[in-house]
Amino acid sequence: EPEVTQTPSHQVTQMGQEVILRCVPISNHLYFYWYRQILGQKVEFLVSFYNNEISEKSEIFDDQFSVERPDGSNFTLKIRSTKLEDSAMYFCASSEFVVGLFFGSGTQLSVL
Amino acid sequence: KNEVEQSPQNLTAQEGEFITINCSYSVGISALHWLQQHPGGGIVSLFMLSSGKKKHGRLIATINIQEKHSSLHITASHPRDSAVYICAGLNYGGSQGNLIFGKGTKLSVKP
Repeated sequence: EPEVTQTPSHQVTQMGQEVILRCVPISNHLYFYWYRQILGQKVEFLVSFYNNEISEKSEIFDDQFSVERPDGSNFTLKIRSTKLEDSAMYFCASSEFVVGLFFGSGTQLSVL
Repeated sequence: KNEVEQSPQNLTAQEGEFITINCSYSVGISALHWLQQHPGGGIVSLFMLSSGKKKHGRLIATINIQEKHSSLHITASHPRDSAVYICAGLNYGGSQGNLIFGKGTKLSVKP
């Protein structure tokens, strides 16, 4: 069964460092998303991406964040200068069209 | 601001019991997802509903658009159903993944 793959599963970084979280969406999917979940809190929408550009972003997704589809398969989330409050589980998801949202298993980011 | 509220926050059931989790949402939500989050953190989409009722195995999801209310039912519950169930609303006019998430209902099914 096709699945969304995220790497790494855990990432530890020092405050101020740049991190790149990687996702491989399902191959025929056209819409890609990032979410985050701070420990003990709700999942929050960060950004949606379609046709090689951001289609929508939340207030959380400020200039410190960027997304990219560097090739035909990967979809990345970059945090330029990590802060302590960026520590969270980050989920990637993809969909083919308007239904069928598939999530990856998440990357746990710990900023020290 | 669009909101999604779930109840209860925590639910403990005995194996075999019928379970209901409720979700209320505000104006501006055009459809609802029901998601299952496993203890390890992974999220699985169970249903997306904009009207009526959907069934998959022992899971049933309903939505009442007039009352802005949705329910997730689990029949003949089993310990493997233990997880956090999350209701997430799709923002009207937003992209497909622009979801407003509820806090989740932590379900524990005892053998």
